[in-house]
Amino acid sequence: AQSVTQLGSHVSVSEGALVLLRCNYSSSVPPYLFWYVQYPNQGLQLLLKYTSAATLVKGINGFEAEFKKSETSFHLTKPSAHMSDAAEYFCAVSDLTGANNLFFGTGTRLTVIP
Amino acid sequence: DTEVTQTPKHLVMGMTNKKSLKCEQHMGHRAMYWYKQKAKKPPELMFVYSYEKLSINESVPSRFSPECPNSSLLNLHLHALQPEDSALYLCASSQKVGYGYTFGSGTRLTVV
Repeated sequence: AQSVTQLGSHVSVSEGALVLLRCNYSSSVPPYLFWYVQYPNQGLQLLLKYTSAATLVKGINGFEAEFKKSETSFHLTKPSAHMSDAAEYFCAVSDLTGANNLFFGTGTRLTVIP
Repeated sequence: DTEVTQTPKHLVMGMTNKKSLKCEQHMGHRAMYWYKQKAKKPPELMFVYSYEKLSINESVPSRFSPECPNSSLLNLHLHALQPEDSALYLCASSQKVGYGYTFGSGTRLTVV
């Protein structure tokens, strides 16, 4: 069964600093992986996704993630944090059945310090 | 149209009330989902509809009753809820495997 683990429930960075949010997956087959962002009192917005094409995936708002099979990781990065990046970030894995169910990690709250 | 629209955005209901949440999408997605999200927690899957048929019910209490009248519309009927059912209810849709989900902005439900 697929699952994801997000290390660090809370990450704080200074404005302009590198953002690194960690996600490790568990899957018996190459998975489909996603990062979602959730702003307060809003739904989830897709940042980027890995679907077995290029291992370095670029998303919206300057975020990118690299799929590393050897490390079973899919960490999310952004070179320079902006105040507007403060939000909850969820890593998710999709099962590969027709049901296409998404399984979410526990989330990481990103705080950006001015 | 690339959105999932949920109404209402906020709902306060008593434990004896009957209410419904509505979700609509016009992207031609054939799978639709209801999720429940408590504060500071990830979304939890409640129901999955695939081609307008209920395919997954994740052991949700019968006081929650889903309905999919057509391929664009998904309802969640609520009856005799408990205060612990207060949460953000999210609707999502997807095209097919690997495309991820498009989420609505949710309905914030408070049961008093």
